[in-house]
Formats: sequence, structure tokens, C-alpha cells
Amino acid sequence: KNQVEQSPQSLIILEGKNCTLQCNYTVSPFSNLRWYKQDTGRGPVSLTIMTFSENTKSNGRYTATLDADTKQSSLHITASQLSDSASYICVVSVHNTDKLIFGTGTRLQVFP
Amino acid sequence: DAGVIQSPRHEVTEMGQEVTLRCKPISGHDYLFWYRQTMMRGLELLIYFNNNVPIDDSGMPEDRFSAKMPNASFSTLKIQPSEPRDSAVYFCASSTSLTLAKNIQYFGAGTRLSVL
Repeated sequence: KNQVEQSPQSLIILEGKNCTLQCNYTVSPFSNLRWYKQDTGRGPVSLTIMTFSENTKSNGRYTATLDADTKQSSLHITASQLSDSASYICVVSVHNTDKLIFGTGTRLQVFP
Repeated sequence: DAGVIQSPRHEVTEMGQEVTLRCKPISGHDYLFWYRQTMMRGLELLIYFNNNVPIDDSGMPEDRFSAKMPNASFSTLKIQPSEPRDSAVYFCASSTSLTLAKNIQYFGAGTRLSVL
């Protein structure tokens, strides 16, 4: 069964600290993996995407990694800011289909 | 472009009433998706359209839910009759085949539905 699991479910950190969010998937055949950021009361917005052959991708203070062998991805946030408070959703697409498999997200709260 | 536009932003209704959610996709996008989001289950795909034609409605919970796309710029999701367990945030998203291949969808701001 195609599944995407994220951990932790929620996370609280202090402003300026780093954090890492995890995503494990069992999607097959795999096409790509994307991290979305969802602010409270808004729709998800794309952050980074990685295909099978890529193992790291950065977008400012956000760095995503992908290990296609172990089917794991992580999203590392450096020097967190209050505006990073949001839910982060890992989404995996199934090769040759329009199908996307969503994780349930990690809720990050950054406090001053 | 104003992005994906959903209306209303909030809807409060009583059990048994009909609810209609509306979506205007980004102009030129030929894919349209309807999602439901709850704390327990996260984002769930309900149905999606390609060129106004429903492609996969396997996520539609039951016959009380129906979706239409009469033209390229408008879609509706209808719940009749509504039940308290339908309370959730409903998102509409649009995409093109090009952006979809890169796993990019553009989401609206959502409609928060409360069924009392």
C-alpha cells in the first residue's frame, strides 16, 4: 500500500535553532518527492522537489534530502524564524500516474 | 493571476442541509483537484478533473458528495445532505500536466466547513 509517514507529528523550537523533519514512504513506483509548507488558514505551498537521482536540494534556509534506497527524506530548517511556524507536508508522486500520496504533516511552532 | 479562488472561505450549516463549495482554477490550468483536510487524516484527495472530465473520484466518501466542472474556469463540490463528520477544510488545487509532472499543485485558501 502506498503510504507516506511523517515524524514528529508536532515540534516546538526556539527562534534561531535548527530542526529536522522526517518523511518515510512506501510509494512504488516512485517518481518524485516534494515538501510543502502550509501556513495556518492557507493552502499548501511548494518548497522543494527531488527526483530519484537527487539526494539534496536547498531553498534558502530549507534543505531537503532524499535517500531512495531507504525511502526516507528529511527537511532541515536552519536558523529558524517565527515565520517558519507552519505545517510541513511531504508528498510523493507515483510514476506514470497523476496520483499524489500525502503525509499527514509535521506541525512546527517557533517561539521567540 | 490571482491564483486559485475558493468560496466561501467559511461555511457554517446545520446537519441535513445542502452545501456547495466553489472553485475557480488558475487560468490555463487543465487539472483541478478537490481535497479534504482534517487533523486526524491530513489531506485527502476526493476527486480530480482533467480538461473538465472527472478522472478519479475514488476518494469521494459516499453518494452524498458530488463534484462538477461545467467549464474550464469553474468547479463545484456539493454535499447533500451534510453531516457533522463532514466538518473539515476543503481545498481546491489546479495544475498543468507540466507542473503536475513536477509534483506541483497550486492550492486555494480553502473553505472551512462546520456542520452543526
